[in-house]
Amino acid sequence: QSALTQPASVSGSPGQSITISCTGTSSDVVTYKYVSWYQQHPGKAPKVMIYEVSNRPSGVSDRFSGSKSGNTASLSISGLQAEDEADYYCSSYTSNTTLIFGGGTKLTVL
Amino acid sequence: EVQLVESGGGLVKPGGSLRLSCTASGFTFRSYAMHWVRQAPGKGLEWVSAISSSGAYIYYADSLRGRFTISRDNAKNSLYLQMNSLRVEDTGIYYCARIKYSAFELGGDFDCWGQGTLVIISS
Repeated sequence: QSALTQPASVSGSPGQSITISCTGTSSDVVTYKYVSWYQQHPGKAPKVMIYEVSNRPSGVSDRFSGSKSGNTASLSISGLQAEDEADYYCSSYTSNTTLIFGGGTKLTVL
Repeated sequence: EVQLVESGGGLVKPGGSLRLSCTASGFTFRSYAMHWVRQAPGKGLEWVSAISSSGAYIYYADSLRGRFTISRDNAKNSLYLQMNSLRVEDTGIYYCARIKYSAFELGGDFDCWGQGTLVIISS
């Protein structure tokens, strides 16, 4: 099964808002609510930012939000801050009873 | 403090085997589903395998099934990954990760990760 499709990079200026897309298929994103988003800074382990499409774990800033429409899930970050610069990955449960990740998106805060 | 510590990584020749371990502390290990996730150098995350809290249910990435075996010993608070017939493309950092308590075990809601152990497959 191929990885979920994410843009390789996105960028924004401090204070702006950005959205990262994650495109899947009827075998994963379309059908299941188990879409998560992770933030990974260089040399660090990933951190979950959104789970089950739009739920935010405690401790994660409310500047982060998630949504889904059809075969595309999205992560939005408002009020961009320098510390948001990182790699972001989406994941989804699949009909093969597996978990699949997106290829990752590098967020640059200009 | 909730902690996961991986070990067992190293340099292995193609075709060789390696057993990774993940030792848990600071929480009731037997109550949590656990996963292995890997990351090739400079590349993205790749899900490897998962095991339910009791060990009764096991899941693998389609591309790895048959070469890798996940297991756990709840008495030792430990998770394992036996990797056989290793290939150059198996090179990377291997993370163990915990699924949040009571969450769907393949839901991707990881609330704790280890620091990773580096596996290098090279002749």
